[in-house]
Amino acid sequence: RKEVEQDPGPFNVPEGATVAFNCTYSNSASQSFFWYRQDCRKEPKLLMSVYSSGNEDGRFTAQLNRASQYISLLIRDSKLSDSATYLCVVNRGGFSGGYNKLIFGAGTRLAVHP
Amino acid sequence: GAVVSQHPSRVICKSGTSVKIECRSLDFQATTMFWYRQFPKKSLMLMATSNEGSKATYEQGVEKDKFLINHASLTLSTLTVTSAHPEDSSFYICSARGDMTVNTEAFFGQGTRLTVV
Repeated sequence: RKEVEQDPGPFNVPEGATVAFNCTYSNSASQSFFWYRQDCRKEPKLLMSVYSSGNEDGRFTAQLNRASQYISLLIRDSKLSDSATYLCVVNRGGFSGGYNKLIFGAGTRLAVHP
Repeated sequence: GAVVSQHPSRVICKSGTSVKIECRSLDFQATTMFWYRQFPKKSLMLMATSNEGSKATYEQGVEKDKFLINHASLTLSTLTVTSAHPEDSSFYICSARGDMTVNTEAFFGQGTRLTVV
């Protein structure tokens, strides 16, 4: 089983739609969580961190359920510019157990069309 | 935000030759850098953790002698693909964090697209 699993998509949605991405992780010792965005042939860039209380940044809302080891990302009012691959990222490791390492899911592709 | 510069962005080499990729943190000191590999439409796969002044820590299944990592200073890490073969063709990307606090953002280099012919 992969350490971080995501639905690969693609998700094809019209502009203005709401789309939700899900992610599960297997290592219960994981300490922090992120969503990164990667455009085609580019490096990943941080979209937002994910906190236990849930957090929102404009049209983007991230949720974390530690008990279920589940992370989600909700995008409201989709824009054409949201088309990209969204990567679920988990920070593995800790201060006593070696280096913090970011482990990536395979990514979910989103295509927003007019 | 912080900048990580990776060079070259694209390289084509012949089978059997070695290729060096550089990763620099431009405006912060990175005691630890990470090297990833990404195949088309696949996830970033962590290859190794590069530690300044000491040996790199490799992930399971990654050949140490094949992928040589050197972290000579707090701002520079290099990955050398030795005796490259066509199956080594991939997108290699480095990442650095200013500190190892769990919520610290990781910054990525622009990536290097390696093609071995």
